[in-house]
Amino acid sequence: DAKTTQPPSMDCAEGRAANLPCNHSTISGNEYVYWYRQIHSQGPQYIIHGLKNNETNEMASLIITEDRKSSTLILPHATLRDTAVYYCIVNQGGKLIFGQGTELSVKP
Amino acid sequence: GAVVSQHPSWVICKSGTSVKIECRSLDFQATTMFWYRQFPKQSLMLMATSNEGSKATYEQGVEKDKFLINHASLTLSTLTVTSAHPEDSSFYICSASGGTGSWYTGELFFGEGSRLTVL
Repeated sequence: DAKTTQPPSMDCAEGRAANLPCNHSTISGNEYVYWYRQIHSQGPQYIIHGLKNNETNEMASLIITEDRKSSTLILPHATLRDTAVYYCIVNQGGKLIFGQGTELSVKP
Repeated sequence: GAVVSQHPSWVICKSGTSVKIECRSLDFQATTMFWYRQFPKQSLMLMATSNEGSKATYEQGVEKDKFLINHASLTLSTLTVTSAHPEDSSFYICSASGGTGSWYTGELFFGEGSRLTVL
């Protein structure tokens, strides 16, 4: 079973930051948190991953709470092309078990 | 970044026939590949873990005789849906671990997916 829970849907205005929350209260100490997104009828696209420290790359930032029980993916300036289903996933012994994800709609 | 390619992108077949889907890692060696299926408006469901040179490990509820997986080389894994029926119609997606560092800490790259329609 997936170890993550996410809101089913969110809206964001174009150009604004999109903050996508994820709860993973049962995460183990050595399990990484991964974020992927899936645009309709395509394979999932890697966004970012982390263990304890906050991470940033050209796509997004990942903020992980100190107790590691939750995290937030931040898309700093959302565009219409960021409309997708975003999955927060805990790497469970080498397997990525997907939850239901958050359907993000970026609106003009 | 690393590329994982699937073929075919879509396939239509008659009920009772078998269909093979290929998953290739194009610029890295993948000792482990994963196969998922996805029904419309649902999340990805892990079907099996494929390790090069050994038998695949199937998730609970997935019929190993129905979904044959072969991982004969470090760059190729195949999924064969045997005696396909309309309920097997789905989006099948493979993934492979990157070549640098421990897979547990690195990226997992996904293919573009293969849409199977069984008539």
